[in-house]
Amino acid sequence: NAGVTQTPKFRILKIGQSMTLQCTQDMNHNYMYWYRQDPGMGLKLIYYSVGAGITDKGEVPNGYNVSRSTTEDFPLRLELAAPSQTSVYFCASSEGSGGLNEQFFGPGTRLTVL
Amino acid sequence: ILNVEQSPQSLHVQEGDSTNFTCSFPSSNFYALHWYRWETAKSPEALFVMTLNGDEKKKGRISATLNTKEGYSYLYIKGSQPEDSATYLCAFTDGNNRLAFGKGNQVVVIP
Repeated sequence: NAGVTQTPKFRILKIGQSMTLQCTQDMNHNYMYWYRQDPGMGLKLIYYSVGAGITDKGEVPNGYNVSRSTTEDFPLRLELAAPSQTSVYFCASSEGSGGLNEQFFGPGTRLTVL
Repeated sequence: ILNVEQSPQSLHVQEGDSTNFTCSFPSSNFYALHWYRWETAKSPEALFVMTLNGDEKKKGRISATLNTKEGYSYLYIKGSQPEDSATYLCAFTDGNNRLAFGKGNQVVVIP
């Protein structure tokens, strides 16, 4: 049982490039989340999904897109990378709503945009 | 935007001492509060989920209390050990299922 996995672990992008951060969970959780964490700041919710085919914006969605074609996968897409998107990105999942259910986090992806 | 504050931001504790820190959150429309433990170079791991005013949870030497009417939760570490060094995150969820994390309490236990 791998839990939540994320790839890549590290990435350096040039301004304007695009990339997809991958997230996969093998716990059959319906709820999945993408967060970013900037130095000295708490985790900020980017997007979340309550099930396959359903996604919704979080607190800081601008510059990102997501899709949820399967229960297991929840990729995060950056279309035109900007320096402001330099951050550590965490994917998480939970069995039910994040209100009553603990979230399981992936190891994170450290992204630098130069 | 949900305002979740954690204080102090960081603290150093001598091994064997006990310590506590605070998570403050909106006192209206409360649904749940989570505490997570986040060790350096690892992912956050859940400690407690708390839903009822007056809730007290305990896991080993770590315990937490909840006051939803005044909007705060305390996390206590009794007899701190070096392995307790971590950042402790609280996450608040309101009745509209909006979720917000605090910035964390960074704890360093000095041997």
